[in-house]
Amino acid sequence: EVQLLESGGALVQPGGSLRLSCAASGFTFSSYAMSWVRQVPGRGLEWVSVMSGSGDTSHYPESVKGRFTISRDNSKNTLYLQMNSLRAEDTAIYYCAKVKHDHIWGSLDYWGQGTLVSVSS
Amino acid sequence: DVVMTQSPDSLAVSLGERATINCKSSQSVLYSSNNKNYLAWYQQKPGQPLKLLIYWASTRESGVPDRFSGSGSGTDFTLTISSLQAEDVAVYYCHQYYTLPFTFGPGTKVDIK
Repeated sequence: EVQLLESGGALVQPGGSLRLSCAASGFTFSSYAMSWVRQVPGRGLEWVSVMSGSGDTSHYPESVKGRFTISRDNSKNTLYLQMNSLRAEDTAIYYCAKVKHDHIWGSLDYWGQGTLVSVSS
Repeated sequence: DVVMTQSPDSLAVSLGERATINCKSSQSVLYSSNNKNYLAWYQQKPGQPLKLLIYWASTRESGVPDRFSGSGSGTDFTLTISSLQAEDVAVYYCHQYYTLPFTFGPGTKVDIK
């Protein structure tokens, strides 16, 4: 059974940093691209980043480019999101999601429960 | 960026009746080389992980009831629930994964009338 468990969400001040983790199990982690998606509570979904299975390719939207870094440790079956220079508008629930295929251009077939990041002074 | 729009914002349908949700992309998400539309549909219920329903615009994910179906190509897509059940009350999102940055529609809330 595929499981994705996010952790690391917290209340942080504007300008601060945070690292989210996503522990994966139930599938061959290194064979699949992984993604982060966020959602302001009660609002819609925003794609945040994606990384290939090997970790050699990653992409971001302009809203987080240069501030967020996705990474993975395939030996630990864990995905990370390093978030720097956090802003109030980064406040959201952050979901880890598995891409259905081995390349980044795929739908997201499994999602975690999410971890809440709040940016406020 | 590819802008995804959905209509309606919300709808209420009687049990057993058909629910139809539309999704439109600002650019085509059809890849001519493989003739696939890079469009997925997800269901979100409170307290549960998001669930993939449909990918490649019309391929039903394993385990998804066959009352859910997807159709469309290019820029216009539809998710149809042929006979609404109580457990289908949720918010539904479309998602294009053809062009970076990947984008989602704003969601459509489905309720029971």
